[in-house]
Amino acid sequence: AQTVTQSQPEMSVQEAETVTLSCTYDTSESNYYLFWYKQPPSRQMILVIRQEAYKQQNATENRFSVNFQKAAKSFSLKISDSQLGDTAMYFCAFMKHESGYALNFGKGTSLLVTP
Amino acid sequence: DTGVSQNPRHKITKRGQNVTFRCDPISEHNRLYWYRQTLGQGPEFLTYFQNEAQLEKSRLLSDRFSAERPKGSFSTLEIQRTEQGDSAMYLCASSRGQYGMNTEAFFGQGTRLTVV
Repeated sequence: AQTVTQSQPEMSVQEAETVTLSCTYDTSESNYYLFWYKQPPSRQMILVIRQEAYKQQNATENRFSVNFQKAAKSFSLKISDSQLGDTAMYFCAFMKHESGYALNFGKGTSLLVTP
Repeated sequence: DTGVSQNPRHKITKRGQNVTFRCDPISEHNRLYWYRQTLGQGPEFLTYFQNEAQLEKSRLLSDRFSAERPKGSFSTLEIQRTEQGDSAMYLCASSRGQYGMNTEAFFGQGTRLTVV
């Protein structure tokens, strides 16, 4: 079974600063996908960024980027120029290549962006 | 609104009662997923459908749980003889086609179940 670990239950960052959220995972699979989802208070889960394990290049989406270290099984999310609207729970998730879209989520990191 | 719709948004029920939730996916999406999220935890996968076929079920889905997607469109999740441990947010998601980068899953806002 795959496990996803997010070791930071809560984090805080000031507006316009940069913050990095950590995620590690455990798997014996060689081909898989990794995701970061954002869940704002009382709102639905939104995909932030995704990474295919066979791609060496780190994914980037505007202010969001990842540091994917396959050998270390690490997948951190960097948020640059943090905005108040980034306040949310952030979940790291793993998906086996052949499992449809059955995601294994971590416990999440609560991020608070302060003025 | 063309997103994933879940009803009801909140449900309070007495222990031992049956409850049913509904999920309406995005219209062109052929895959539909159910997850359960308890307080302080990430969502846990329950089951998914490809059109009307239920292709995978988690061990979390006990005999008291049943999910259907009769015509490959909306889906229902029924919990029989509810227990207090069933209290959670039940999330539905949908996606199109096969796994991979072109099949982002879109989530609904969830149904929050409280068993008293």
